[in-house]
Amino acid sequence: SQQGEEDPQALSIQEGENATMNCSYKTSINNLQWYRQNSGRGLVHLILIRSNEREKHSGRLRVTLDTSKKSSSLLITASRAADTASYFCATDGIQGAQKLVFGQGTRLTINP
Amino acid sequence: GAGVSQTPSNKVTEKGKYVELRCDPISGHTALYWYRQSLGQGPEFLIYFQGTGAADDSGLPNDRFFAVRPEGSVSTLKIQRTERGDSAVYLCASSYRRQDVLTFGAGSRLTVL
Repeated sequence: SQQGEEDPQALSIQEGENATMNCSYKTSINNLQWYRQNSGRGLVHLILIRSNEREKHSGRLRVTLDTSKKSSSLLITASRAADTASYFCATDGIQGAQKLVFGQGTRLTINP
Repeated sequence: GAGVSQTPSNKVTEKGKYVELRCDPISGHTALYWYRQSLGQGPEFLIYFQGTGAADDSGLPNDRFFAVRPEGSVSTLKIQRTERGDSAVYLCASSYRRQDVLTFGAGSRLTVL
C-alpha cells in the first residue's frame, strides 16, 4: 500500500517559475526522502529530511517537513526545462520498518 | 561496481512462462530492495534483503514471486507462471545500510503477452 500521497498529480509551469509539490503520509516516520525519475529511467535521490528537522536546502531545492500534519513539501526554485520529471516522496516507518514506501508521484512539466 | 546494474533491461515473455531478473548492487551495500512500478504509479515495495536474508518480504504479491541473494551481493527475482498483470518495470535498489538513501538501477521492463 502507498504511504505517501503526492499533490498535485501533475504540474505544468513555465521555465523560471517555482514548482511546489506536496506529500502527505499516514504513520510516524524516522525520515522522509524525495526522489526524481526521468521518463523510463531509475529513480535518483534528491534530499533526505529527518523527523527532527523542519527544513532543508540543497541547491535550488527546499524541503519542509511538518510531522504534526504528517506532510512535506518540495520546492524547486527557478525551474529549468531539465527539471521535467516525476517526483516521489518516500517514507520509512519509525518502528524498525525495513522498507521505504513511495507515493504516487507528481509529474512536473517545465515549459520553455 | 559504480552503480546498480539490472539485467535484462527488457524482457518479453508469454503468459505462463518463468522469468528471472537479476540485480547487481553497489559493492559493499548490504541492503538490497526490489520494487515494482506500473505505468503512472509509484514504486511498490516487494522485498528487502539485509545481507543474504530476506528481512521483509511482505510486498511479494503471491507465491509465484520469489527472490534470493545467496552470497549477499547479486540478487535474482524469480517469477513463476507469469501473468499479464505482472507486466511492469522491476526496480532494484541498494544502500549501505537499511533506511539509508537508496541507489536505484535503471530497471527491468517485463512484458507478459
